[in-house]
Amino acid sequence: AQKITQTQPGMFVQEKEAVTLDCTYDTSDPSYGLFWYKQPSSGEMIFLIYQGSYDQQNATEGRYSLNFQKARKSANLVISASQLGDSAMYFCAMREGVRGKLIFGQGTELSVKP
Amino acid sequence: GAVVSQHPSWVICKSGTSVKIECRSLDFQATTMFWYRQFPKQSLMLMATSNEGSKATYEQGVEKDKFLINHASLTLSTLTVTSAHPEDSSFYICSVLKGGSGAYEQYFGPGTRLTVT
Repeated sequence: AQKITQTQPGMFVQEKEAVTLDCTYDTSDPSYGLFWYKQPSSGEMIFLIYQGSYDQQNATEGRYSLNFQKARKSANLVISASQLGDSAMYFCAMREGVRGKLIFGQGTELSVKP
Repeated sequence: GAVVSQHPSWVICKSGTSVKIECRSLDFQATTMFWYRQFPKQSLMLMATSNEGSKATYEQGVEKDKFLINHASLTLSTLTVTSAHPEDSSFYICSVLKGGSGAYEQYFGPGTRLTVT
């Protein structure tokens, strides 16, 4: 069965610094996708970045990059140049196959300090 | 603009009554929709997968007779919480999978906050 784990309940980062949010996963399916979502206090789920299991390069989207280490089964999110608006809950998620269920990790609450 | 809408955005109901939450796909036809539940400061827990024209598939531990899901059209899925109790108070989020596309195209609704008094 697929499993996704975030071990950092809360993180603090100084504005303009980089921060890494950890995510590990487990699956027996060779085809899977890894996602990161941001959830501000409003509750909406904002898609940040996606990494496919067969992608050779790490995904990047603006200030977000995904450090994909397949052998270690980790998919850490790196946010560069943190901004106050980055303060939110961050969820790592995984889907097995193309149309499988999207399962979420426990989440990490990021607080950016001025 | 929004790809998925939910209605209502928040609802308060009395214990023992039923509440219906609608999820609409605005930009495309969705054969598959998902319903999630989220308690404060916790993660999203998948409740069920809703397939158009067929019965929903419920996750282990989710009571199908309590959480009725109807996916009557390619743009609408509804979740009805029957005989609601205070412990059903939660944030309910639907999600839509864009059919025939890549694995990353899953869109979330803005959520419905249910409070049962």
